Amino acid sequence: DTAVSQTPKYLVTQMGNDKSIKCEQNLGHDTMYWYKQDSKKFLKIMFSYNNKELIINETVPNRFSPKSPDKAHLNLHINSLELGDSAVYFCASSQVSGSTYGYTFGSGTRLTVV
Amino acid sequence: KQEVTQIPAALSVPEGENLVLNCSFTDSAIYNLQWFRQDPGKGLTSLLLIQSSQREQTSGRLNASLDKSSGRSTLYIAASQPGDSATYLCAVHDDYKLSFGAGTTVTVRA
Repeated sequence: DTAVSQTPKYLVTQMGNDKSIKCEQNLGHDTMYWYKQDSKKFLKIMFSYNNKELIINETVPNRFSPKSPDKAHLNLHINSLELGDSAVYFCASSQVSGSTYGYTFGSGTRLTVV
Repeated sequence: KQEVTQIPAALSVPEGENLVLNCSFTDSAIYNLQWFRQDPGKGLTSLLLIQSSQREQTSGRLNASLDKSSGRSTLYIAASQPGDSATYLCAVHDDYKLSFGAGTTVTVRA
């Protein structure tokens, strides 16, 4: 059973389109995250949700809108895609923010905007 | 703002050598520190988690130390194998997020 699953794994789309990435965790964790890994492979936090509430929005453009329908799901919707949005997006979860149990990551979604 | 630095950026060793990967962070008020491995085009695999009250953690050939007061962690990999070739990422747990280093890319030559 996959602990943190993301779909789709690959996404190729044209500039200006709107797309969504879905994330689900079956670990019973109460905090979920979106991270972006750029072309230089650096990982940076985008959003953090705790019990469906937005905790961190790390200066992400308004075109990115996360939605958490319940504790087990955190989806990412991106409007008006730009070339610079091309990256790998990782979803993650943890038991409690900053907890003693560590973070679990999904396998990533590689987004390519052409 | 937490900043995490990993040295060296890349490392190439012959099989059998021990590996030493360094990580430093600027704000010592962390909850814990986690080491990950990332293979090319793949996700992150957790290797070791060290809680802020601990000094080290061990798993098989891997040993990680933490000196919170000086803002340093070291990952030791004993008797390296070609299968250890990957990028190793250090991450510190602040409030509601992980702050990552840029990683150390390791190549173990057969």
